[in-house]
Amino acid sequence: DTGVSQNPRHKITKRGQNVTFRCDPISEHNRLYWYRQTLGQGPEFLTYFQNEAQLEKSRLLSDRFSAERPKGSFSTLEIQRTEQGDSAMYLCASSFGDSSNQPQHFGDGTRLSIL
Amino acid sequence: AQSVSQHNHHVILSEAASLELGCNYSYGGTVNLFWYVQYPGQHLQLLLKYFSGDPLVKGIKGFEAEFIKSKFSFNLRKPSVQWSDTAEYFCAVNARAAGNKLTFGGGTRVLVKP
Repeated sequence: DTGVSQNPRHKITKRGQNVTFRCDPISEHNRLYWYRQTLGQGPEFLTYFQNEAQLEKSRLLSDRFSAERPKGSFSTLEIQRTEQGDSAMYLCASSFGDSSNQPQHFGDGTRLSIL
Repeated sequence: AQSVSQHNHHVILSEAASLELGCNYSYGGTVNLFWYVQYPGQHLQLLLKYFSGDPLVKGIKGFEAEFIKSKFSFNLRKPSVQWSDTAEYFCAVNARAAGNKLTFGGGTRVLVKP
Protein backbone atom coordinates (compact mmCIF):
# COMPACT_ATOMS: atom_id res chain seq x y z
CA ASP A 1 0.00 0.00 0.00
CA THR A 2 1.85 3.03 -1.27
CA GLY A 3 -0.99 5.42 -0.50
CA VAL A 4 -2.82 7.90 -2.69
CA SER A 5 -0.40 10.01 -4.71
CA GLN A 6 -1.17 13.51 -5.98
CA ASN A 7 0.84 15.69 -8.32
CA PRO A 8 1.90 18.40 -8.25
CA ARG A 9 2.00 19.24 -4.55
CA HIS A 10 1.82 22.94 -5.28
CA LYS A 11 0.66 24.91 -8.31
CA ILE A 12 0.91 28.65 -8.70
CA THR A 13 -0.67 30.16 -11.75
CA LYS A 14 -2.09 33.38 -13.08
CA ARG A 15 -5.79 34.03 -13.24
CA GLY A 16 -7.25 32.81 -16.50
CA GLN A 17 -4.79 29.97 -17.02
CA ASN A 18 -5.75 26.30 -17.17
CA VAL A 19 -4.39 23.82 -14.65
CA THR A 20 -4.48 20.05 -14.42
CA PHE A 21 -3.92 17.88 -11.37
CA ARG A 22 -3.28 14.16 -11.25
CA CYS A 23 -4.27 11.56 -8.69
CA ASP A 24 -3.02 7.98 -8.49
CA PRO A 25 -5.21 5.99 -6.12
CA ILE A 26 -4.21 2.98 -4.07
CA SER A 27 -3.92 0.12 -6.51
CA GLU A 28 -7.08 -2.00 -6.81
CA HIS A 29 -9.22 0.75 -5.30
CA ASN A 30 -12.15 1.05 -7.66
CA ARG A 31 -13.54 4.29 -6.27
CA LEU A 32 -11.86 7.65 -6.56
CA TYR A 33 -13.04 10.96 -5.10
CA TRP A 34 -12.09 14.61 -5.47
CA TYR A 35 -12.62 17.15 -2.69
CA ARG A 36 -11.72 20.80 -2.28
CA GLN A 37 -10.62 22.35 1.01
CA THR A 38 -10.30 26.04 1.71
CA LEU A 39 -8.60 27.57 4.73
CA GLY A 40 -10.45 26.93 7.96
CA GLN A 41 -12.99 24.61 6.38
CA GLY A 42 -13.46 20.90 6.05
CA PRO A 43 -13.12 19.20 2.68
CA GLU A 44 -16.06 19.63 0.27
CA PHE A 45 -17.04 16.90 -2.15
CA LEU A 46 -16.56 17.62 -5.85
CA THR A 47 -17.01 14.37 -7.73
CA TYR A 48 -16.43 10.64 -7.62
CA PHE A 49 -15.72 7.75 -9.96
CA GLN A 50 -16.42 4.08 -9.76
CA ASN A 51 -13.86 2.57 -12.08
CA GLU A 52 -13.97 4.83 -15.15
CA ALA A 53 -17.55 6.01 -14.67
CA GLN A 54 -18.14 9.42 -13.12
CA LEU A 55 -21.16 8.73 -10.91
CA GLU A 56 -21.75 11.96 -9.04
CA LYS A 57 -20.83 15.61 -9.39
CA SER A 58 -21.36 18.37 -6.88
CA ARG A 59 -22.96 21.67 -7.82
CA LEU A 60 -19.60 23.13 -6.76
CA LEU A 61 -18.17 21.65 -9.94
CA SER A 62 -18.84 24.43 -12.43
CA ASP A 63 -18.48 23.93 -16.16
CA ARG A 64 -14.88 25.16 -15.87
CA PHE A 65 -14.04 21.98 -13.97
CA SER A 66 -13.71 18.59 -15.58
CA ALA A 67 -12.51 15.30 -14.19
CA GLU A 68 -11.61 12.11 -15.93
CA ARG A 69 -10.54 8.61 -15.04
CA PRO A 70 -10.05 7.11 -18.48
CA LYS A 71 -8.83 3.63 -17.63
CA GLY A 72 -10.23 3.32 -14.16
CA SER A 73 -6.83 3.90 -12.56
CA PHE A 74 -5.42 7.44 -12.26
CA SER A 75 -7.61 10.51 -12.51
CA THR A 76 -7.10 14.10 -13.64
CA LEU A 77 -8.92 17.22 -12.54
CA GLU A 78 -8.71 20.17 -14.90
CA ILE A 79 -9.74 23.73 -14.15
CA GLN A 80 -10.10 26.03 -17.11
CA ARG A 81 -9.87 29.82 -16.96
CA THR A 82 -8.90 29.81 -13.29
CA GLU A 83 -10.35 32.43 -10.96
CA GLN A 84 -9.19 33.77 -7.60
CA GLY A 85 -11.88 31.73 -5.88
CA ASP A 86 -10.34 28.52 -7.17
CA SER A 87 -7.43 28.90 -4.75
CA ALA A 88 -7.71 25.91 -2.43
CA MET A 89 -6.28 22.53 -1.56
CA TYR A 90 -7.56 19.84 -3.92
CA LEU A 91 -7.73 16.44 -2.28
CA CYS A 92 -8.05 13.05 -3.85
CA ALA A 93 -9.23 9.95 -2.02
CA SER A 94 -9.82 6.34 -2.96
CA SER A 95 -11.69 3.38 -1.53
CA PHE A 96 -12.26 -0.27 -2.31
CA GLY A 97 -15.49 -2.12 -2.89
CA ASP A 98 -19.11 -1.30 -3.53
CA SER A 99 -20.27 -0.47 -0.03
CA SER A 100 -20.67 3.08 1.20
CA ASN A 101 -19.10 2.13 4.51
CA GLN A 102 -15.62 1.57 3.13
CA PRO A 103 -13.30 4.29 4.47
CA GLN A 104 -11.72 6.69 2.04
CA HIS A 105 -7.94 7.05 1.97
CA PHE A 106 -6.68 10.54 1.24
CA GLY A 107 -3.66 11.87 -0.57
CA ASP A 108 -1.53 14.86 0.48
CA GLY A 109 -3.42 17.17 -1.86
CA THR A 110 -2.47 19.75 -4.47
CA ARG A 111 -2.41 23.32 -3.23
CA LEU A 112 -3.52 25.75 -5.94
CA SER A 113 -2.69 29.44 -5.66
CA ILE A 114 -4.10 31.88 -8.18
CA LEU A 115 -2.15 35.12 -8.60
CA ALA B 1 -28.79 17.36 2.11
CA GLN B 2 -26.74 16.34 5.07
CA SER B 3 -24.59 18.72 7.09
CA VAL B 4 -22.08 18.29 9.90
CA SER B 5 -21.36 20.70 12.71
CA GLN B 6 -18.30 20.66 14.94
CA HIS B 7 -18.80 22.83 17.98
CA ASN B 8 -15.26 23.93 18.74
CA HIS B 9 -12.90 25.45 16.22
CA HIS B 10 -9.91 25.47 18.56
CA VAL B 11 -9.12 23.53 21.70
CA ILE B 12 -6.02 24.02 23.85
CA LEU B 13 -5.22 21.63 26.66
CA SER B 14 -2.34 20.19 28.60
CA GLU B 15 -0.90 16.72 28.37
CA ALA B 16 -2.85 14.11 30.35
CA ALA B 17 -6.04 16.14 30.15
CA SER B 18 -9.16 14.53 28.77
CA LEU B 19 -10.44 15.49 25.34
CA GLU B 20 -13.95 15.54 23.99
CA LEU B 21 -14.83 16.95 20.58
CA GLY B 22 -18.44 17.44 19.64
CA CYS B 23 -19.97 16.49 16.30
CA ASN B 24 -23.60 16.77 15.26
CA TYR B 25 -25.05 15.94 11.89
CA SER B 26 -28.34 16.63 10.24
CA TYR B 27 -29.81 13.84 8.18
CA GLY B 28 -32.87 11.79 8.83
CA GLY B 29 -31.75 8.53 7.28
CA THR B 30 -29.13 5.92 8.00
CA VAL B 31 -25.58 7.20 8.11
CA ASN B 32 -22.01 6.02 8.33
CA LEU B 33 -19.88 8.16 10.64
CA PHE B 34 -16.16 8.84 10.62
CA TRP B 35 -13.53 10.79 12.46
CA TYR B 36 -10.43 11.76 10.51
CA VAL B 37 -7.27 13.36 11.87
CA GLN B 38 -4.73 15.52 10.08
CA TYR B 39 -1.37 15.86 11.81
CA PRO B 40 0.75 18.86 10.83
CA GLY B 41 2.10 18.39 7.34
CA GLN B 42 0.35 15.08 6.79
CA HIS B 43 -2.70 13.85 4.93
CA LEU B 44 -6.07 13.04 6.44
CA GLN B 45 -6.06 9.70 8.25
CA LEU B 46 -8.94 7.66 9.53
CA LEU B 47 -9.22 7.55 13.33
CA LEU B 48 -12.37 5.49 13.64
CA LYS B 49 -15.68 4.72 11.99
CA TYR B 50 -19.20 3.65 12.89
CA PHE B 51 -21.56 1.72 10.62
CA SER B 52 -23.75 -0.35 12.87
CA GLY B 53 -23.77 -2.34 16.09
CA ASP B 54 -22.23 -1.13 19.34
CA PRO B 55 -22.57 2.67 19.34
CA LEU B 56 -19.31 3.02 21.27
CA VAL B 57 -16.49 2.52 18.81
CA LYS B 58 -12.79 2.40 19.52
CA GLY B 59 -10.19 3.66 17.10
CA ILE B 60 -6.47 4.05 16.88
CA LYS B 61 -4.25 5.82 19.40
CA GLY B 62 -6.70 5.45 22.29
CA PHE B 63 -9.54 7.41 20.72
CA GLU B 64 -13.16 6.41 20.98
CA ALA B 65 -16.47 7.86 19.82
CA GLU B 66 -20.06 7.36 20.82
CA PHE B 67 -22.95 7.47 18.39
CA ILE B 68 -26.13 8.77 20.00
CA LYS B 69 -28.84 8.42 17.39
CA SER B 70 -31.44 10.44 19.28
CA LYS B 71 -29.07 13.39 19.47
CA PHE B 72 -27.62 13.00 15.96
CA SER B 73 -24.22 13.13 17.61
CA PHE B 74 -20.91 11.33 17.24
CA ASN B 75 -18.55 12.82 19.82
CA LEU B 76 -14.88 11.92 19.93
CA ARG B 77 -13.10 11.29 23.22
CA LYS B 78 -9.69 10.47 24.59
CA PRO B 79 -9.15 10.09 28.34
CA SER B 80 -5.58 11.36 28.42
CA VAL B 81 -4.01 13.28 25.55
CA GLN B 82 -0.38 13.47 24.56
CA TRP B 83 1.58 16.21 22.87
CA SER B 84 1.53 14.06 19.71
CA ASP B 85 -2.26 14.41 19.54
CA THR B 86 -1.81 17.99 18.35
CA ALA B 87 -3.68 17.95 15.06
CA GLU B 88 -6.87 18.96 13.29
CA TYR B 89 -9.81 16.62 13.73
CA PHE B 90 -12.66 16.27 11.25
CA CYS B 91 -15.99 14.56 11.71
CA ALA B 92 -17.56 13.22 8.51
CA VAL B 93 -20.86 11.65 7.54
CA ASN B 94 -21.84 9.46 4.65
CA ALA B 95 -25.57 9.17 4.13
CA ARG B 96 -26.10 5.67 2.83
CA ALA B 97 -28.99 6.61 0.59
CA ALA B 98 -27.22 9.61 -0.84
CA GLY B 99 -24.23 8.02 -2.47
CA ASN B 100 -20.68 7.70 -1.34
CA LYS B 101 -19.58 11.27 -0.78
CA LEU B 102 -18.39 12.33 2.63
CA THR B 103 -19.75 15.50 4.20
CA PHE B 104 -17.21 16.98 6.60
CA GLY B 105 -17.51 19.30 9.52
CA GLY B 106 -15.38 22.40 9.67
CA GLY B 107 -12.72 20.74 11.80
CA THR B 108 -11.35 21.33 15.28
CA ARG B 109 -7.74 22.33 15.80
CA VAL B 110 -6.38 20.73 18.95
CA LEU B 111 -3.18 21.99 20.55
CA VAL B 112 -1.74 19.91 23.36
CA LYS B 113 0.78 21.76 25.47
CA PRO B 114 3.65 19.66 26.81
